[in-house]
Amino acid sequence: GAGVSQSPRYKVAKRGQDVALRCDPISGHVSLFWYQQALGQGPEFLTYFQNEAQLDKSGLPSDRFFAERPEGSVSTLKIQRTQQEDSAVYLCASSSKREVFTDTQYFGPGTRLTVL
Amino acid sequence: AQSVTQLDSHVSVSEGTPVLLRCNYSSSYSPSLFWYVQHPNKGLQLLLKYTSAATLVKGINGFEAEFKKSETSFHLTKPSAHMSDAAEYFCVVNSRIYNQGGKLIFGQGTELSVKP
Repeated sequence: GAGVSQSPRYKVAKRGQDVALRCDPISGHVSLFWYQQALGQGPEFLTYFQNEAQLDKSGLPSDRFFAERPEGSVSTLKIQRTQQEDSAVYLCASSSKREVFTDTQYFGPGTRLTVL
Repeated sequence: AQSVTQLDSHVSVSEGTPVLLRCNYSSSYSPSLFWYVQHPNKGLQLLLKYTSAATLVKGINGFEAEFKKSETSFHLTKPSAHMSDAAEYFCVVNSRIYNQGGKLIFGQGTELSVKP
């Protein structure tokens, strides 16, 4: 079956613009995660959804970052008034949540955001 | 709190020679540990995971890892490197915080180069 897909794959924004990044998880996966990967670093957790409920957003770096998953499937990560430090690859992952601590998280290819 | 430390930022081997990528972990609980691989411009792919079953875990593409509690290590090995193994490798631990859905905590990554 299809894996996790993300769009767009690449996004260039001028400083101050708003951007929206989309994630389509694997069908039927309950859990959805967003991670941010800065250049040369490992991914870092941003936020977590269980179905449509956002259960944890402790990793969101500022109130300019907002995520939603209104119908428990597709998710959108929105960044308002982008800054240069927001430049990174944004990764989406989904899992079945059968066993929370051992489930495999399946990652999408990421969206590379460059803020000029 | 859970954490992982990858001891080498870059490892270079010759094709056909063994691969060793080192990872130490810190965990308050029995950890769930993973190795992911990231090829350029591609998503993260799970190589293998340890979830408190057998301490020697076999993964895809001939990789394996051994969980050693006494050494708090989870090193990744492969008997014979192939050119296609050149990539970034991440050692990962599950946070084991339920309301975070088991968010993943990544090491800094080890870049593996394979020389012909």
